[in-house]
Amino acid sequence: DVKVTQSSRYLVKRTGEKVFLECVQDMDHENMFWYRQDPGLGLRLIYFSYDVKMKEKGDIPEGYSVSREKKERFSLILESASTNQTSMYLCASSSPGTSGSYEQFFGPGTRLTVL
Amino acid sequence: GNSVTQMEGPVTLSEEAFLTINCTYTATGYPSLFWYVQYPGEGLQLLLKATKADDKGSNKGFEATYRKETTSFHLEKGSVQVSDSAVYFCALSDQSGGGADGLTFGKGTHLIIQP
Repeated sequence: DVKVTQSSRYLVKRTGEKVFLECVQDMDHENMFWYRQDPGLGLRLIYFSYDVKMKEKGDIPEGYSVSREKKERFSLILESASTNQTSMYLCASSSPGTSGSYEQFFGPGTRLTVL
Repeated sequence: GNSVTQMEGPVTLSEEAFLTINCTYTATGYPSLFWYVQYPGEGLQLLLKATKADDKGSNKGFEATYRKETTSFHLEKGSVQVSDSAVYFCALSDQSGGGADGLTFGKGTHLIIQP
């Protein structure tokens, strides 16, 4: 069964801490994504990567960075966590597939609370 | 740019009722269209998809038809169950960018089915 896994389901951090969220996929997908999900705002794209060591800013990259050293792993980094980064974080991966549709496969999410 | 519009809800129905969740989109190219479902506390799962005009996606009793003339992809189910209670997201993939830059999501529709 194909899978996207995230390192933590729940995480509590303090303001100013450096936070690492890890995501691993076992489908050999080229593309990986980080979203945050907030009530009333839906899913918003933070960063994405289409290859190892490549990264592109999404719609809301401020306050975040990413790392992709291996094809299967995509890390989201909060350099100095703030309370407005309290959210659900979702990782996803995709490839063209047989239909070329680029459907995305999602991990279970990490609910981050910054105090 | 691309956008997806769907009713946000909550939508409350009785068990065995007929369900329609409307979704309309704007896109520059020929997108693939998706419906994802998110059960409480979980990540998003692909429910169904359609990759070209007039395609019908179907899964678990849910259906949606890709209507290019009305730029719509409405989700329907003939008889809902309590277990269908979840948040439903309509999304599109603009393949003009090679699919690497992610999906465009609607804000999600919260569906509540009462016994």
